[in-house]
Amino acid sequence: SAVISQKPSRDICQRGTSLTIQCQVDSQVTMMFWYRQQPGQSLTLIATANQGSEATYESGFVIDKFPISRPNLTFSTLTVSNMSPEDSSIYLCSVQIRGRGYEQYFGPGTRLTVT
Amino acid sequence: GENVEQHPSTLSVQEGDSAVIKCTYSDSASNYFPWYKQELGKRPQLIIDIRSNVGEKKDQRIAVTLNKTAKHFSLHITETQPEDSAVYFCAASNPGSSNTGKLIFGQGTTLQVKP
Repeated sequence: SAVISQKPSRDICQRGTSLTIQCQVDSQVTMMFWYRQQPGQSLTLIATANQGSEATYESGFVIDKFPISRPNLTFSTLTVSNMSPEDSSIYLCSVQIRGRGYEQYFGPGTRLTVT
Repeated sequence: GENVEQHPSTLSVQEGDSAVIKCTYSDSASNYFPWYKQELGKRPQLIIDIRSNVGEKKDQRIAVTLNKTAKHFSLHITETQPEDSAVYFCAASNPGSSNTGKLIFGQGTTLQVKP
């Protein structure tokens, strides 16, 4: 099965700063996504990371706040910009693996606390 | 857009009993329905999925049923064990759409299996 890694695993940041989260996969990937999971809540899709082009954002999420890059098939970054305490969440990348159909697998997540 | 409702929010059963979690979805175009198990502090793990061309799928103690007419699907766990205790999420997707593969999640069900 694919190994999906995220860096950092957790961080504590100050209000107004930015954090970039990395997601790396060791297999060929068709689709990559970024989700947010607030404490005790379900998962909410932030955006679809498109290789070589701008990400596709869901309602309520904008590029200025959550810029995303995907320079190649197996790597993506999500930046949380100008952070506020409301951004404290777990951020997870997920991927569809080539040859595995619609199955979607999650990275271990990045636990972000904004003070 | 798609909306997924999940019930119950919490479920407590005795070890060895069965557990059933139900989800309804709103978009009749959705045709892929995965279930995830998330243990405390861990990433969501895909445990079973079903596509719209079948009505039921089983994997050992876990089964999923789908009623496309009524737009609902259910997770059935038989002979529950304490290690089944976790939060379970259902999701719906229309992989053939322009936003291929994005998952819309239900609110989650916290399952407690009492020894």
